[in-house]
Amino acid sequence: DTAVSQTPKYLVTQMGNDKSIKCEQNLGHDTMYWYKQDSKKFLKIMFSYNNKELIINETVPNRFSPKSPDKAHLNLHINSLELGDSAVYFCASSPGTSGRGETQYFGPGTRLLVL
Amino acid sequence: GESVGLHLPTLSVQEGDNSIINCAYSNSASDYFIWYKQESGKGPQFIIDIRSNMDKRQGQRVTVLLNKTVKHLSLQIAATQPGDSAVYFCAENSSYKLIFGSGTRLLVRP
Repeated sequence: DTAVSQTPKYLVTQMGNDKSIKCEQNLGHDTMYWYKQDSKKFLKIMFSYNNKELIINETVPNRFSPKSPDKAHLNLHINSLELGDSAVYFCASSPGTSGRGETQYFGPGTRLLVL
Repeated sequence: GESVGLHLPTLSVQEGDNSIINCAYSNSASDYFIWYKQESGKGPQFIIDIRSNMDKRQGQRVTVLLNKTVKHLSLQIAATQPGDSAVYFCAENSSYKLIFGSGTRLLVRP
């Protein structure tokens, strides 16, 4: 009965490759997010989607492209991976349409290591 | 705790004691605040929240205090247990997104 799930849990790849991370939530929430957590544990939002529409894009390089096929899924595709992309990526969701004043529920994270 | 260099601030407490974790937030217009707990290898987990029209909210063993005058938030954990060992983050809801603080590591000594 996992609420927010991500695959894969670990991803090790070479610089220059293209990879995708998948996220699914079974909470019936309308808004989904991607966060990046660096080696210092700092958590920063990257994107948010409401019902398949992009609502926040935090000046993330355009090598990162989120895709939301439906409101229960938000995938993250990364082109031309760089060493600095190594981090833990978290997906989250919240119930409402704006993300304002709402609790966000996080997935278990995807640990990306770029060699 | 306060940031020292690049390391995560750490609070070490004896099992059974009370813990107080502090957080300063940045935006005086923020109206919703959340504390999250992150255990090693896991995602942040919701602990307790508070809206800006309150200054205190209690949960089971946890209390959040909000001081809007000085933009300060604290999390109090009563009778700290080994299972409370984790990194704790405060987050403020500002402009339709959550802005996270830098985190405090709580270590519980047996």
